[in-house]
Amino acid sequence: DVKVTQSSRYLVKRTGEKVFLECVQDMDHENMFWYRQDPGLGLRLIYFSYDVKMKEKGDIPEGYSVSREKKERFSLILESASTNQTSMYLCASSYPREPYNEQFFGPGTRLTVL
Amino acid sequence: EDQVTQSPEALRLQEGESSSLNCSYTVSGLRGLFWYRQDPGKGPEFLFTLYSAGEEKEKERLKATLTKKESFLHITAPKPEDSATYLCAGNPYGGATNKLIFGTGTLLAVQP
Repeated sequence: DVKVTQSSRYLVKRTGEKVFLECVQDMDHENMFWYRQDPGLGLRLIYFSYDVKMKEKGDIPEGYSVSREKKERFSLILESASTNQTSMYLCASSYPREPYNEQFFGPGTRLTVL
Repeated sequence: EDQVTQSPEALRLQEGESSSLNCSYTVSGLRGLFWYRQDPGKGPEFLFTLYSAGEEKEKERLKATLTKKESFLHITAPKPEDSATYLCAGNPYGGATNKLIFGTGTLLAVQP
């Protein structure tokens, strides 16, 4: 079974703090993704990576950065947390090509910024 | 603009009462249409991928179908354990491989 793990289930931070969210997958997937999920807005893509040290902006990258130094690990960084970044953060991974390109998700990190 | 719309937003069924969830998409060429199930406080769980109009896939009480403009998730004789939010997502051509555009989901409640 594919396993995607995230470093924390719940996290509480203060405005202005630097926040690291980590994601690890054990299926040797090339692609990794970070989403945030908010009520009424669905899942929105923040950043994705298709190879080590490669990254591309998603739909809402402002206020975030990412790091992928190893194939299995993809980190999301909030440089200076703000209250509007309170959300559920979901990491996913996948193979790059059909027909096995479904994304597998981690359990999520619920981040609260006070 | 690529968009995925799901309806209804919420659906309440009695156990055994079959129904369908709708996912309509306006995507510039569809590479694939994905269905996920999400339980409260958890990450989405993959259910199906459909690649071409006319394709159907089944898993237990769920069957997903695809036309040129929409997909349906049919739930036959649902049980309370089928209660969850069901998400669909389109993977368009012309963008990064594997970039998914998600709908906002249908919250399904099955009452015993």
